[in-house]
Amino acid sequence: QVQLQESGPGLVKPSETLSLTCTVSGGSISRYYWSWIRQPPGKGLEWIGYVYNGRTNYNPSLRSRVTILLETSRNQFSLKLSSVTAADTAVYYCARHSGIYFPFDYWGQGALVTVSS
Amino acid sequence: DIQMTQSPSSLSASVGDRVTITCRASLLINNYLAWIQQKPGKAPKSLIYAASTLQSGVPSRFSGSGSGTDFTLTISSLQPEDFATYYCQQYNTYPPTFGGGTRVEIK
Repeated sequence: QVQLQESGPGLVKPSETLSLTCTVSGGSISRYYWSWIRQPPGKGLEWIGYVYNGRTNYNPSLRSRVTILLETSRNQFSLKLSSVTAADTAVYYCARHSGIYFPFDYWGQGALVTVSS
Repeated sequence: DIQMTQSPSSLSASVGDRVTITCRASLLINNYLAWIQQKPGKAPKSLIYAASTLQSGVPSRFSGSGSGTDFTLTISSLQPEDFATYYCQQYNTYPPTFGGGTRVEIK
């Protein structure tokens, strides 16, 4: 059974960099696409970007601030979002998909990140 | 970006009721449509992909239909564990986008 678990600081100061890690268990990280998705409180879901074997694709709305990296040896992938503001406060989810035009088939539980001084 | 519009945004229903949720895409999405269930504090769960194909292990009371821009999720007989928020999502065009969600509450 594939499981994904997000981890990282729950509180980040404005203008700093948000960093999260998703640990994948129950399957190989190498054969799949791995995305980050977020949900601000009371709002809808927003896709942030994906990584696959080192290749990335980011939402144009966030591209200038986002980096997603794959750490194959640890079966993890990470998210960095720079220059955060209160608008970046959200629950951040990691998710798996089998290809570019495939649905998300497994999700993590989500990690709440609050941007506040 | 393709806009996904869900209706209703919330509904109240009783156990055993038939429930229908609709989703409309702002452009054609070639049936690249998924339905996702979300419960508070839990990982979102993929229910349906390709508009009508059930993910492995999803009960048969869930079904999806539609094509082009208009899609429907139906729960044939609502069970206590089905009270949740449901989202549609298109993966035909990047960036993938989601509907605003439909909260299914106990009547």
